[in-house]
Amino acid sequence: QKEVEQDPGPLSVPEGAIVSLNCTYSNSAFQYFMWYRQYSRKGPELLMYTYSSGNKEDGRFTAQVDKSSKYISLFIRDSQPSDSATYLCAIMDNYGQNFVFGPGTRLSVLP
Amino acid sequence: SQTIHQWPATLVQPVGSPLSLECTVEGTSNPNLYWYRQAAGRGLQLLFYSVGIGQISSEVPQNLSASRPQDRQFILSSKKLLLSDSGFYLCAWSVQANTEAFFGQGTRLTVV
Repeated sequence: QKEVEQDPGPLSVPEGAIVSLNCTYSNSAFQYFMWYRQYSRKGPELLMYTYSSGNKEDGRFTAQVDKSSKYISLFIRDSQPSDSATYLCAIMDNYGQNFVFGPGTRLSVLP
Repeated sequence: SQTIHQWPATLVQPVGSPLSLECTVEGTSNPNLYWYRQAAGRGLQLLFYSVGIGQISSEVPQNLSASRPQDRQFILSSKKLLLSDSGFYLCAWSVQANTEAFFGQGTRLTVV
């Protein structure tokens, strides 16, 4: 089993839709959770960082973590064409040295 | 504020040639530094990470090597490139222990 699995996509939604992106992980030692956005041919850009179960909101983005189910989600409200990118979940172990990334979900928001 | 610089942005190299990719971080001290490779349509594969000068941990055995000659400088090298070394190489940094990572803009390497 892979350490981090992510909905493969690609995902196409109309502008204004609510988008849900999901990851599951296998190792309960993982304690820190991140979402990155990566535009084509660019480096990943940090969107959200959290270390606790529950929801964290930042503008149109909400990160949700359920440690009991080993499940993390990113919700995008009022999606925009500029949100079209690949979204990567990332998890850090409790030793604070190694990040494990999901394979990414490619999102297209159609105007 | 902290910034990370990675160069070159694009590189085309023949099989068997050497490689040197450089990454520098500004605005922070003693960062953790990372080299990742991203194949097309796939996730990020950790190649090397470093917690201090001269301290390199390798995650995947291969013909690549990394060095950290200065606190905020991280170099990825190869003596002889293989076709399979083609990919998108990303440098990243994080503050020591339990914080998020920040990425450079990447180097797209094509080995021909």
